[in-house]
Amino acid sequence: SAVISQKPSRDICQRGTSLTIQCQVDSQVTMMFWYRQQPGQSLTLIATANQGSEATYESGFVIDKFPISRPNLTFSTLTVSNMSPEDSSIYLCSVGTDGNTIYFGEGSWLTVV
Amino acid sequence: KQEVTQIPAALSVPEGENLVLNCSFTDSAIYNLQWFRQDPGKGLTSLLLIQSSQREQTSGRLNASLDKSSGRSTLYIAASQPGDSATYLCAVYNAGNMLTFGGGTRLMVKP
Repeated sequence: SAVISQKPSRDICQRGTSLTIQCQVDSQVTMMFWYRQQPGQSLTLIATANQGSEATYESGFVIDKFPISRPNLTFSTLTVSNMSPEDSSIYLCSVGTDGNTIYFGEGSWLTVV
Repeated sequence: KQEVTQIPAALSVPEGENLVLNCSFTDSAIYNLQWFRQDPGKGLTSLLLIQSSQREQTSGRLNASLDKSSGRSTLYIAASQPGDSATYLCAVYNAGNMLTFGGGTRLMVKP
């Protein structure tokens, strides 16, 4: 299994500002992902965080808006840039293990005002 | 493109009932299927993972089945309890390490 810690757990942000979310895993993992869950919706994959190289973004998500870092096998950050109220969501970090089970962090609840 | 559908979207049952949650997917070329639970204000908790070669997995009162050929999975919850109240999400794992989630089933178990 994997234990995932996300920071911050909640934040209220001003329109136009940026916020960086941190994801720390208690063991080295190959795969790390970032998801968004908008109010009342299911989860949507933003990107795969690749260690040592640029993240792989899904359709509809771009690096300028959601820059991602992954400096090592246990840590990643997601930045939500130039926020608008439409960015109010839960952002979740997840990791894949060798057994293919996917684990999720508790999520970061962002409200943009 | 994989699409995952969960039925029903919401379910309310009295305590003690056995219940079935349904998940269907359009592309049967999946690696795994995973069931999650999400409590209000919380992240996701993994319940059961079924490998593509498996037909079912059991954990306590939970049993998940997988029929790849028909693109279906069910999550069976025996003797439901109020503590089972949550949203249950089905997700399929395709090539490229991509998880596609269903819309979830919001379960309410009444005492």
